[in-house]
Order: sequence, then C-alpha cells, then structure tokens
Amino acid sequence: GAVVSQHPSRVICKSGTSVKIECRSLDFQATTMFWYRQFPKQSLMLMATSNEGSKATYEQGVEKDKFLINHASLTLSTLTVTSAHPEDSSFYICSARGRAANYGYTFGSGTRLTVV
Amino acid sequence: QQQVKQSPQSLIVQKGGISIINCAYENTAFDYFPWYQQFPGKGPALLIAIRPDVSEKKEGRFTISFNKSAKQFSLHIMDSQPGDSATYFCAASMYGETSGSRLTFGEGTQLTVNP
Repeated sequence: GAVVSQHPSRVICKSGTSVKIECRSLDFQATTMFWYRQFPKQSLMLMATSNEGSKATYEQGVEKDKFLINHASLTLSTLTVTSAHPEDSSFYICSARGRAANYGYTFGSGTRLTVV
Repeated sequence: QQQVKQSPQSLIVQKGGISIINCAYENTAFDYFPWYQQFPGKGPALLIAIRPDVSEKKEGRFTISFNKSAKQFSLHIMDSQPGDSATYFCAASMYGETSGSRLTFGEGTQLTVNP
C-alpha cells in the first residue's frame, strides 16, 4: 500500500529559529500534498494544499510567510516553520495523494513541534 | 456547507460491545466517506471508506452504514476491544474530481473500550 514517511517525529527548537519538516511518498508519486495542524483533542485543521511544481494554496488565516511549503518533486514536500514561537507548538501532519483519481489520501505519522 | 458533524464526542464501551459513531454532512457533492483511526502521537490511518453507490461496507469488525437521502453515515465497531481505544474521525471529499480535492473532517470521537 501507499506509504508516506514524515520526519522528524519530534523536534524541540528555540524561539526565533526555523524548523523544517519533510514528507516523502515512498511508493507512489504524490501530485498533491496536504499539510495539517492538530491541537490536543481537536480535529485536523488544513493549513495548505500544494501541487507538485506549483505554489501552495494556503487556508484563510494561515500565514504563508511563516509556514513555507515546498513541493518541488513528486515524492517530497517540506514545511518550514520560520521564526518559530511557542504558539507554533503543535502536531503537524502531512497527507499525500497520487495522480490517479482512485488514489486515496495517505497520512504521515506526524511531527510534534515544541518551541521553547 | 463544507462541514461534517460527528457525534458523540466521546464514547465508552465494554469489551465485546458495539461502538457506534455517527456523522452527517451537508455538501451533496461529496462522494467519498472515509473513517480514520488515530492513536496519540500518530497520524490518522485509514480504517474503512465508502462511496455513495452502496449503503453498507464491511471489513472485518468494522462496518460503514451510509444513508444518502439523510446525508448521514456511521461507523460500527463490532466486538470492540481495548486495542480499539483511539480517536476516530469521519471525513468526506469530492474524491474523483482531482487529486487536490481536500478532505473535510469531523470533530473526532474519543473511544475508550474498557476491559
């Protein structure tokens, strides 16, 4: 089955620094990547959608200059949290979907970001 | 119109019992209805999904019931086990439109199965 690898699983960074999260589709070509943020005991909140080779489309209220998304290849998308602050601490999850219309949505294992 | 309403927020059942989680949607263009299981600190994993051309789909202990006219679908977990204790999310999307069609998630249900 389709597998999406997300790294790192946990990261602690100092306030003001940047953190990059990687999401790789291991056995299929991910034409679309979705990035979510999840707060404790809440549902997944879509942050942005990116198509390979195109700029990401951000959801209303999501700062595109703070959350930089790159989807330069069909197997890799990255989310960079720039100038991180404690309020950016959260669980970030990527999801990938392949080219064919019958490809489902495959989720990564998530990244726990803690900004201190 | 994009919302998916999920209930209950939390559910406690005894081992061997039936767990039932319900979802309702508004957008009649939705044509893909998956259920995801999420354990703490992990990403969601697809449990089972249904398209609107069938009213029920069963995979092992998990069954989706779908009522197109009522715009509702539900997850039934038969013979619930302590290992089923997790958060369950329903979702919906316009599946075949393009690969970029987003999933709209329900609020989630915290299921606890007591031994």
